Amino acid sequence: DSGVTQTPKHLITATGQRVTLRCSPRSGDLSVYWYQQSLDQGLQFLIQYYNGEERAKGNILERFSAQQFPDLHSELNLSSLELGDSALYFCASSVDPVSTGELFFGEGSRLTVL
Amino acid sequence: DAKTTQPTSMDCAEGRAANLPCNHSTISGNEYVYWYRQIHSQGPQYIIHGLKNNETNEMASLIITEDRKSSTLILPHATLRDTAVYYCIVLYNFNKFYFGSGTKLNVKP
Repeated sequence: DSGVTQTPKHLITATGQRVTLRCSPRSGDLSVYWYQQSLDQGLQFLIQYYNGEERAKGNILERFSAQQFPDLHSELNLSSLELGDSALYFCASSVDPVSTGELFFGEGSRLTVL
Repeated sequence: DAKTTQPTSMDCAEGRAANLPCNHSTISGNEYVYWYRQIHSQGPQYIIHGLKNNETNEMASLIITEDRKSSTLILPHATLRDTAVYYCIVLYNFNKFYFGSGTKLNVKP
């Protein structure tokens, strides 16, 4: 158990819909990262937040948005869903990965768009 | 940004050492090398990281060449549970961990 909690674990929805994925980081971790992993693909970095502020942005579509709340949990919002958005979405948290090298990943949220 | 190149897949016999190579010829002086693994569709798991010197922990050893252009992750006694995709990552700018395609390690009995 990494200490990172993601909900929901599974989600099935239709094209055009909007969903919200939630992540609770490990206690004490200020950074939250979101990754997307499509079937048999590597992990694509989407976005990082640090203590409520956006720190880094990767290949995140304009239809996707995220935020980190004062209690440090984070939400990833996916809108106007397309079939190609079907993927595993991972959240990770860290204290300071530059010095510790360690991201702690949740178990992921599996999104299926029909 | 420093990119990494890893073989697509490797096989290893159970109980033998697994040596996973990674090329990162464009690495800059202050970039660390990190190794993670992903078992099936679970969240990736941190293994080890280093800058210049070789590193060892309870999971693995990391050997970085003197010119830092390549590294090798060594699992000293591979078990079936080590079957996973192994990612070599060079940290790029503000904690952007970019995971490439990785190496699929198949540990066989």
